[in-house]
Amino acid sequence: SQQGEEDPQALSIQEGENATMNCSYKTSINNLQWYRQNSGRGLVHLILIRSNEREKHSGRLRVTLDTSKKSSSLLITASRAADTASYFCGDTGRRALTFGSGTRLQVQP
Amino acid sequence: DTGVSQDPRHKITKRGQNVTFRCDPISEHNRLYWYRQTLGQGPEFLTYFQNEAQLEKSRLLSDRFSAERPKGSFSTLEIQRTEQGDSAMYLCASSLSVEETQYFGPGTRLLVL
Repeated sequence: SQQGEEDPQALSIQEGENATMNCSYKTSINNLQWYRQNSGRGLVHLILIRSNEREKHSGRLRVTLDTSKKSSSLLITASRAADTASYFCGDTGRRALTFGSGTRLQVQP
Repeated sequence: DTGVSQDPRHKITKRGQNVTFRCDPISEHNRLYWYRQTLGQGPEFLTYFQNEAQLEKSRLLSDRFSAERPKGSFSTLEIQRTEQGDSAMYLCASSLSVEETQYFGPGTRLLVL
């Protein structure tokens, strides 16, 4: 069964705009990890946010976590064409990550 | 490069043949994971190791699949009697522990004809 579910499934924006992706999960989490995947490639780790954290930043990335709503969001500010990729969230529970189908982000130059 | 590596990167095989993939994790990482990903979907968990012990296998891992991590370092994933439905990207990841970041390799793309 899927744990992290990303929303929207697809997002198209202009370069320079901000992109927000959401993730919902079903059970309690240990931590939540966001990844990026370019077409046909492996997953690149972006941010890990622990269950006792509410917000985390890394460069142009901002992740929030609301454990009461079982949701997380990833904000990419000042997007670039190179940000075009699929983005996945996954929960690190007792064994391994469980992913949703991802959000496919297209940044138009 | 000290990241996770996988070999081969691409494999084309005929239905019924056996294939074996290799994963070399980051050297100090105790945990090693295998995932499978089909087009348009997120990765799905297959199995994981804590050192050389295989601790859990997904229901996706039929008896045609076997994974090993003999010395707690590299791991192999073998698929016997391949079927067209096995065509997918096979991803390996490693981490220091369950609470830490999982780092993924580039994947092995399998095509079964």
